Amino acid sequence: EIVLTQSPATLSLSPGERATLSCRASQDLSSYLAWYQQKPGQSPRLLIYDASNRAAGIPARFRGSGSGADYTLTISSLEPEDVGVYYCQQRSNWPLTFGPGTKVYIK
Amino acid sequence: QVQLQQSGPGLVKPSQTLSLTCAISGDSVSSTSTAWNWIRQSPSGGLEWLGRTYYRSRWYSEYATFVRSRATINSDTSKNHFSLQLKSVTPEDTGVYYCARDLPRAAAEGLYNTFDSWGQGTLVTVSS
Repeated sequence: EIVLTQSPATLSLSPGERATLSCRASQDLSSYLAWYQQKPGQSPRLLIYDASNRAAGIPARFRGSGSGADYTLTISSLEPEDVGVYYCQQRSNWPLTFGPGTKVYIK
Repeated sequence: QVQLQQSGPGLVKPSQTLSLTCAISGDSVSSTSTAWNWIRQSPSGGLEWLGRTYYRSRWYSEYATFVRSRATINSDTSKNHFSLQLKSVTPEDTGVYYCARDLPRAAAEGLYNTFDSWGQGTLVTVSS
């Protein structure tokens, strides 16, 4: 089973700052990685698929990058509504697995 | 725009069967460009894929290894919905259950295994 490790566990930034979230896999994912945002009390929402493709309706401030076993989600200018937990998910191998999440707070 | 509306009880007794339904609007349960999934979130926040159903000339249902012996996912084309039954539940099955659509693409390209639309979630507590 592929294990995904996310860092940092929590991130507290001011509005307008850049947020950098990391997802590291236990093996090469061949870019088969997605990112989800879960706002408090809501269901997860797909942000990025296949490492760098924004899902429909996702603002341009969300950018995915990376390759191999290391991936990054960057929020270029943090907005108050970006508060929540961000999860990565791999589809490279079965079983599909999710990371433990990074919780983003606004200062 | 696809919408998924979940229904089902929030409290199930140990050893009984958990039953949830996901009603689809804006898409078809028998679409050949997607699959219909169940995912759960533990009280600590971890997400686990449970299984899926999809139609490609015939119906398929596939399950995560850890629930395969207990789970059944079915579809109902007349109601355009799909369902999850999980039998012999224990307190470890407590969590929020979500239905979710697989990111659509041409059938020949295979399933995306990435989830672009989610239901509202159902908190299921297993307790006597």
